[in-house]
Amino acid sequence: DTEVTQTPKHLVMGMTNKKSLKCEQHMGHRAMYWYKQKAKKPPELMFVYSYEKLSINESVPSRFSPECPNSSLLNLHLHALQPEDSALYLCASSQPPGLAHQETQYFGPGTRLLVL
Amino acid sequence: AQSVTQLDSQVPVFEEAPVELRCNYSSSVSVYLFWYVQYPNQGLQLLLKYLSGSTLVKGINGFEAEFNKSQTSFHLRKPSVHISDTAEYFCAVSNQAGTALIFGKGTTLSVSS
Repeated sequence: DTEVTQTPKHLVMGMTNKKSLKCEQHMGHRAMYWYKQKAKKPPELMFVYSYEKLSINESVPSRFSPECPNSSLLNLHLHALQPEDSALYLCASSQPPGLAHQETQYFGPGTRLLVL
Repeated sequence: AQSVTQLDSQVPVFEEAPVELRCNYSSSVSVYLFWYVQYPNQGLQLLLKYLSGSTLVKGINGFEAEFNKSQTSFHLRKPSVHISDTAEYFCAVSNQAGTALIFGKGTTLSVSS
């Protein structure tokens, strides 16, 4: 099973709202990722968790707050977003980086976020 | 630093025709290369990957790619495309630490009848 699930599929929020995106995998992977993808663009890395610890933060604004409660779950908490944050948010998982070779990342279907 | 260049932003082809999507990479260390496909309104699906070994890599849905170290290329090919292959295709290389993927800008493959 190479499935990564994400909820919700679609989300509309106002600039004063607080919402959360959820990601789950049951492949035993110990690295999880958040990417942001704007229309007609490639995914851009936001955060990497390795063994439930934040290992990479690509200078993401603090209105995005990631959380990894356990090895299977990854959340992205959203607060006071701007309209330009509207995008497809993708979650991915893999075995931890830094092993003998690059491990394959498996992606979820994404959450399409619209900020009004 | 690693980087990826996808040479064609759009590739229109007719059904049952062969197709090649071009990808060139830049890396100063061992290279791990990937092709992902993204169908409309979906996430990314792994098509194939090159980690080591045989330079001809076969993937899902009849796609294959050839790693060419001297030309720093990893072009994706399919001998006969279907309408259902219409999608966005991304070439990616792992960064030096193996902690992230660096994506090309993508190639839109449009298959028409």
